[in-house]
Amino acid sequence: AQKITQTQPGMFVQEKEAVTLDCTYDTSDPSYGLFWYKQPSSGEMIFLIYQGSYDQQNATEGRYSLNFQKARKSANLVISASQLGDSAMYFCAMREAYSSASKIIFGSGTRLSIRP
Amino acid sequence: SQTIHQWPATLVQPVGSPLSLECTVEGTSNPNLYWYRQAAGRGLQLLFYSVGIGQISSEVPQNLSASRPQDRQFILSSKKLLLSDSGFYLCAWSVPAGVTGELFFGEGSRLTVL
Repeated sequence: AQKITQTQPGMFVQEKEAVTLDCTYDTSDPSYGLFWYKQPSSGEMIFLIYQGSYDQQNATEGRYSLNFQKARKSANLVISASQLGDSAMYFCAMREAYSSASKIIFGSGTRLSIRP
Repeated sequence: SQTIHQWPATLVQPVGSPLSLECTVEGTSNPNLYWYRQAAGRGLQLLFYSVGIGQISSEVPQNLSASRPQDRQFILSSKKLLLSDSGFYLCAWSVPAGVTGELFFGEGSRLTVL
């Protein structure tokens, strides 16, 4: 069965520093996608970045990059030059291609707090 | 462009009362539809998902139910609410096939059961 694990309940980072949010996953499906979402205190869910299991390169979107290590089944989110507005909950999610193609599950999240 | 709306945004209900949350999607056809629940400060728990009209998959046994009477309408219901049903409910949609389909979320419905 598919599973997503985020082991960091909360993190504090100084403004302008880089931060890495951990995500590990478990699946027996050879094809899958991994996503990261940001949830500010307002509650809205903001899509940040996507990584496909067959992608050769790590995904990047502006200040966000995904450190994808397939053999270790990890998909860590890296935020460069953190800003105060990055303070939020961050969720890792996974979607399998075959065994349960329509099911998308989330990790428990990491609360990131940026210090000025 | 595609939009998703859910309502009501906030509701306070007594224990044992019924519940109906509604979600509609515009600008796309045959979407996958999802209901998630988020307890305070916690992660998202998948409750139901649907790949078509009348097709509902339930992830967690509970006193909630879901229905999809139309292609772009998804309803979450309960006949008798429990205290443990309190939380933030999120409706979402995605394209029907392929792993590249990320979720697009509604604004959320905050339910407090007293």
